[in-house]
Amino acid sequence: AQSVAQPEDQVNVAEGNPLTVKCTYSVSGNPYLFWYVQYPNRGLQFLLKYITGDNLVKGSYGFEAEFNKSQTSFHLKKPSALVSDSALYFCAVRDLLTGGGNKLTFGTGTQLKVEL
Amino acid sequence: NAGVTQTPKFQVLKTGQSMTLQCAQDMNHEYMSWYRQDPGMGLRLIHYSVGAGITDQGEVPNGYNVSRSTTEDFPLRLLSAAPSQTSVYFCASSYGTGSGANVLTFGAGSRLTVL
Repeated sequence: AQSVAQPEDQVNVAEGNPLTVKCTYSVSGNPYLFWYVQYPNRGLQFLLKYITGDNLVKGSYGFEAEFNKSQTSFHLKKPSALVSDSALYFCAVRDLLTGGGNKLTFGTGTQLKVEL
Repeated sequence: NAGVTQTPKFQVLKTGQSMTLQCAQDMNHEYMSWYRQDPGMGLRLIHYSVGAGITDQGEVPNGYNVSRSTTEDFPLRLLSAAPSQTSVYFCASSYGTGSGANVLTFGAGSRLTVL
C-alpha cells in the first residue's frame, strides 16, 4: 500500500522568507513523488516530480523539493516566499510496485499563507 | 487548447437521484481518473482507466460507475445519490508512457451537493 502524510494543516510565512512544506511517504517499492498546488476554486496544478536521479528536484515558480530516502521525506521548499504563493499544496506518491495506471495517493494538503 | 473539461461545475441533487458527471480531454492522454476532494481528507481516487474499454476501481468506488468508450471521454455516474457523496469531484488525465507519464492534468472540478 502507498500513503502520504502532510503533518501541517497550515504553514504561515512572511514574504521574502524561506518556506518549507513537509511531506513523508510510505511505499512497498520505489516511489514516484509529486507536488501539486491548488488555488481557490481551481483544479490542481503540477509543480514538480521526483522519478529518479538527483535528490534535489526543481519545479515551477521557483519551488524545489528534496527526496530523502532514509527519512522517506519529500519536503517542498522555496528560498523566498511570495504572497502569490498562498495556496493549498498537496504531496502525492505512486508506488512503482503497486501503483499501476498512474494511481496517485494524495496527502491531506497544507494551506500555505504568505503574509506581507 | 481546452485540456480537461468537466461539466457541470455545480449540481444539487436530492437523495436517491442519479446523475452523470462528464469529463473530456483533448490531449490524447491514455490514462484518466476521477478523484473526490473532501475537507481534511485530501483527494481520494474513485475509478481510473488506462485506455478505452478498460476501467478499474480506486480507493472509494462504492456508489459510482464509470465507462470509457472513447479515449477522450470518461463519465462518472452516481447511481443513487447519498448525502455522503456531497463533495468536489475532479477528473484528471495523463500520458501512459514517456516524459509526460505520471503527470496529471486536472479539470476545474464539479461541486456536488446531495440533500
